[in-house]
Amino acid sequence: AQTVTQSQPEMSVQEAETVTLSCTYDTSESDYYLFWYKQPPSRQMILVIRQEAYKQQNATENRFSVNFQKAAKSFSLKISDSQLGDAAMYFCASRVPEKLVFGKGTKLTVNP
Amino acid sequence: EAQVTQNPRYLITVTGKKLTVTCSQNMNHEYMSWYRQDPGLGLRQIYYSMNVEVTDKGDVPEGYKVSRKEKRNFPLILESPSPNQTSLYFCASSLYGGRTSNQPQHFGDGTRLSIL
Repeated sequence: AQTVTQSQPEMSVQEAETVTLSCTYDTSESDYYLFWYKQPPSRQMILVIRQEAYKQQNATENRFSVNFQKAAKSFSLKISDSQLGDAAMYFCASRVPEKLVFGKGTKLTVNP
Repeated sequence: EAQVTQNPRYLITVTGKKLTVTCSQNMNHEYMSWYRQDPGLGLRQIYYSMNVEVTDKGDVPEGYKVSRKEKRNFPLILESPSPNQTSLYFCASSLYGGRTSNQPQHFGDGTRLSIL
């Protein structure tokens, strides 16, 4: 069975600083896809970034980047220049053919 | 605007009273899915559909039914709701499901169900 583990239930960061959210996963698939979703208080699920496992280059979207370590099955999210609007729950997810497997989430607080 | 629309957004009801949560997408997506979100558990899949008339159980299907008669609609049916089905529900869709699918899933805004 696929599993996704987020070991940090809560994190906090000062505005304009950098924070890294951790995620590890377990899969038997050779080809798979990984995602980070953001859930603000409005509870929408918003895609932040995605990574194809066959790509060695780490994905980047503006202030968001990942550190993908395939051998270690690690997929951390780095948020640079944190903004108040980044405060949210962040979910790491692994795509298997029929579904997304989610971690339990990390609640990020951004302090002014 | 491309979107996944769920209704209702909020519902408070009583045990045993049948209810349906509707989900509709306007992106011509083949794959649709239902998840429930509970505190400390993340999101768990209830049912999914790879295409019209093709549905299958996810991780937590007990107490739920679905149908996929049209490509755009994927309603979630609770025929005899119980308090343990109180949760936040999300419908999601993507262009394709399957082994080679790397498309992200687009989510609806969620439905908060409270069953007393």
